[in-house]
Amino acid sequence: DTEVTQTPKHLVMGMTNKKSLKCEQHMGHRAMYWYKQKAKKPPELMFVYSYEKLSINESVPSRFSPECPNSSLLNLHLHALQPEDSALYLCASSQEPDRSYGYTFGSGTRLTVV
Amino acid sequence: GQQLNQSPQSMFIQEGEDVSMNCTSSSIFNTWLWYKQDPGEGPVLLIALYKAGELTSNGRLTAQFGITRKDSFLNISASIPSDVGIYFCAGQSGGATNKLIFGTGTLLAVQP
Repeated sequence: DTEVTQTPKHLVMGMTNKKSLKCEQHMGHRAMYWYKQKAKKPPELMFVYSYEKLSINESVPSRFSPECPNSSLLNLHLHALQPEDSALYLCASSQEPDRSYGYTFGSGTRLTVV
Repeated sequence: GQQLNQSPQSMFIQEGEDVSMNCTSSSIFNTWLWYKQDPGEGPVLLIALYKAGELTSNGRLTAQFGITRKDSFLNISASIPSDVGIYFCAGQSGGATNKLIFGTGTLLAVQP
């Protein structure tokens, strides 16, 4: 299995809703990442999990809450989002956090906040 | 922070033409990567470069890791319609802050 699987593919939520994005990989990768991508822009790093521990938070607002239940799963919990949070949310993984092998990306969740 | 400047911003070419795009950085990277992204999908890795001066091919794609470790280029030969998409360079510096930093992207349009 050489894939990163993200669900759901599309999500529409209101500003008072609570929802979660899910990400799964079975490649034995020990680092996992959340990126946010706006239209026609490069992906921007949000969070890094290294050996299931949060190692980098790029000053992301607390309405985004990541969770890594085990080495294969990564969640992003969403609460009280704003319309400007609408974007493509990408999950990625890599073999080891401190080795430069590049990342494998999932197909993303297209989030619309109304 | 680190920034990767990618050029050109967009290219509109005829099928069969060759394409060249490049990426420059103000900082040194240990690894250079080139990704392609189709609309509504995640980036897909095309080529990874691990050593300064390295030249690597993947089918019609060729990429090089600059000697100074601050730049890289990607060439696509004999373009075809399915080459359409956004191409991103990305760099990693290794160690504790081994974040993948993306370039600004090159939009490629190929006319049959």
